Amino acid sequence: GDSVTQMEGPVTLSEEAFLTINCTYTATGYPSLFWYVQYPGEGLQLLLKATKADDKGSNKGFEATYRKETTSFHLEKGSVQVSDSAVYFCALSENTGGFKTIFGAGTRLFVKA
Amino acid sequence: EADIYQTPRYLVIGTGKKITLECSQTMGHDKMYWYQQDPGMELHLIHYSYGVNSTEKGDLSSESTVSRIRTEHFPLTLESARPSHTSQYLCASSVDRGRAETQYFGPGTRLLVL
Repeated sequence: GDSVTQMEGPVTLSEEAFLTINCTYTATGYPSLFWYVQYPGEGLQLLLKATKADDKGSNKGFEATYRKETTSFHLEKGSVQVSDSAVYFCALSENTGGFKTIFGAGTRLFVKA
Repeated sequence: EADIYQTPRYLVIGTGKKITLECSQTMGHDKMYWYQQDPGMELHLIHYSYGVNSTEKGDLSSESTVSRIRTEHFPLTLESARPSHTSQYLCASSVDRGRAETQYFGPGTRLLVL
């Protein structure tokens, strides 16, 4: 079945460092791909998405490119801030007679001042 | 802006008590979900609904039950709480837009059963 695998955390970075969180997926069809973010004490919220191969999703300085050939959707940011400390979830959504969303296990990011 | 609400935000309760976690959304979404989130942050789908009078069990077995009598309301009930039910519970709703289903989450309920 479909699945999402993302790098284990926690990831600890200093402010202004470059961030990469890896995400790979397996799917039978052509899913849409997402990154959700969960700040402390809150629910998840959509960060960015891409609906087809080679699409790039971007928001708040984060970006991710849908790579069908490597079945990946890695999250990147050029310069992280303390306020980016959160848990990041990679997810896929596929219409298999009704949409189903599958979440990765989450990667916790700590950014130090 | 998504509007989905959960109450209570925090609940401490004794073993054997019956509890209901409330979830409401004002977006008119047909689909709603309940997730249990463990300390490692992984999400486990425990119930979902595709509309009024439709409820299904999710991937993770749960002793809780749900109902969907109104589109906007999707409460989760535990008839007899146990310490193993201690967790965070997240409610979500979703809308299909073309090829993507985006989920909107409430702030969660942290439950502690003593």
